[in-house]
Amino acid sequence: DVKVTQSSRYLVKRTGEKVFLECVQDMDHENMFWYRQDPGLGLRLIYFSYDVKMKEKGDIPEGYSVSREKKERFSLILESASTNQTSMYLCASSPPAERFTDTQYFGPGTRLTVL
Amino acid sequence: QKEVEQNSGPLSVPEGAIASLNCTYSDRGSQSFFWYRQYSGKSPELIMFIYSNGDKEDGRFTAQLNKASQYVSLLIRDSQPSDSATYLCAVKDSWGKLQFGAGTQVVVTP
Repeated sequence: DVKVTQSSRYLVKRTGEKVFLECVQDMDHENMFWYRQDPGLGLRLIYFSYDVKMKEKGDIPEGYSVSREKKERFSLILESASTNQTSMYLCASSPPAERFTDTQYFGPGTRLTVL
Repeated sequence: QKEVEQNSGPLSVPEGAIASLNCTYSDRGSQSFFWYRQYSGKSPELIMFIYSNGDKEDGRFTAQLNKASQYVSLLIRDSQPSDSATYLCAVKDSWGKLQFGAGTQVVVTP
């Protein structure tokens, strides 16, 4: 079974703090993704990565950056946390896109509150 | 215009009845389609995928795809209280990215 883990289930930070969210997958997947999920808005893609040291902007990258130094690890960074970044953050991984029947597997999520 | 549309619900279904969930998408080039179930406070989990026109059955779940109409649906037969959750429709693009609908909340009443 695919296992995707995230460093924290719940996190409380203050406005202006730098926040690191870590994601690790154990299936040697090439693709990794970061989403945020808010009520009524569904899942929105922040950033994704197709390979080590590669990153691509998703639909809502503003205020975020990412790092992928190793294949199994994909980090989301909030450079200066703001209250509107309070949300559920979900990491996912998947095999290469050419296997179109393969889907994404999600981690348990991190509920971030910025005060 | 959203690329993947779902009714938000809640869809109230008596126990033992069939729940019918609908999803439309805008990208005609989409090749594969996925249904996820998400319990409150949890992450999405895959129920099934479909990529050919027609029906695909897996236990109590049936996915239906009509690419000409850009429509995919999920039927849940013999609905159980444990089926109460939000169901997310997702469409995969050529880059392997998934476009998600906002989800339909299903409530199964005893």
